[in-house]
Amino acid sequence: DSGVTQTPKHLITATGQRVTLRCSPRSGDLSVYWYQQSLDQGLQFLIHYYNGEERAKGNILERFSAQQFPDLHSELNLSSLELGDSALYFCASSVEPAGGPIPQYFGAGTRLSVL
Amino acid sequence: EDKVVQSPLSLVVHEGDTVTLNCSYEVTNFRSLLWYKQEKKAPTFLFMLTSSGIEKKSGRLSSILDKKELSSILNITATQTGDSAIYLCAVVSGNQFYFGTGTSLTVIP
Repeated sequence: DSGVTQTPKHLITATGQRVTLRCSPRSGDLSVYWYQQSLDQGLQFLIHYYNGEERAKGNILERFSAQQFPDLHSELNLSSLELGDSALYFCASSVEPAGGPIPQYFGAGTRLSVL
Repeated sequence: EDKVVQSPLSLVVHEGDTVTLNCSYEVTNFRSLLWYKQEKKAPTFLFMLTSSGIEKKSGRLSSILDKKELSSILNITATQTGDSAIYLCAVVSGNQFYFGTGTSLTVIP
């Protein structure tokens, strides 16, 4: 158990809908990262927050947004869902921002199925 | 464009064999390289490498970084069926993590 908690584990929804994925980082970790993993594209970095502020953006669509709250949990909001958004969404946390001497630890992921 | 390439894509070996997985990268602001093991769930951290030529070792697994060649290898000796997984390489460039597509390792009894 990495200590990173993601909810829900599975989510099934229809095209055009909006969903929110939640992540609670390990105790003491200030950085939260979101990734999308699909079968054909591997693990894609979406966005990174450090202590409530956005630090870096990767391949995140405009229909997606995220935030990190004062208690350091983070939410990833996905709207106007399309079939291609079906994927496993991982959250990871670390004490320091990217590049520090501490690696990331991953949650178990949320599997999103868009029908 | 920053990218990470892993090879081979897939590998099938017998128990007891030794395997070498490769990771090469082209990034603008290299800070570190990480190896992860992913079974049916979340990736689990194996190694973080920042300095060239220094081997990191954990049991039967070891890894080394070559900054001149922009690459890293992950060695697994005396493989076991429990080593079957996807091995992911990630490079930190600036504030971003770039992952390779992984090497799928299957160890046959």
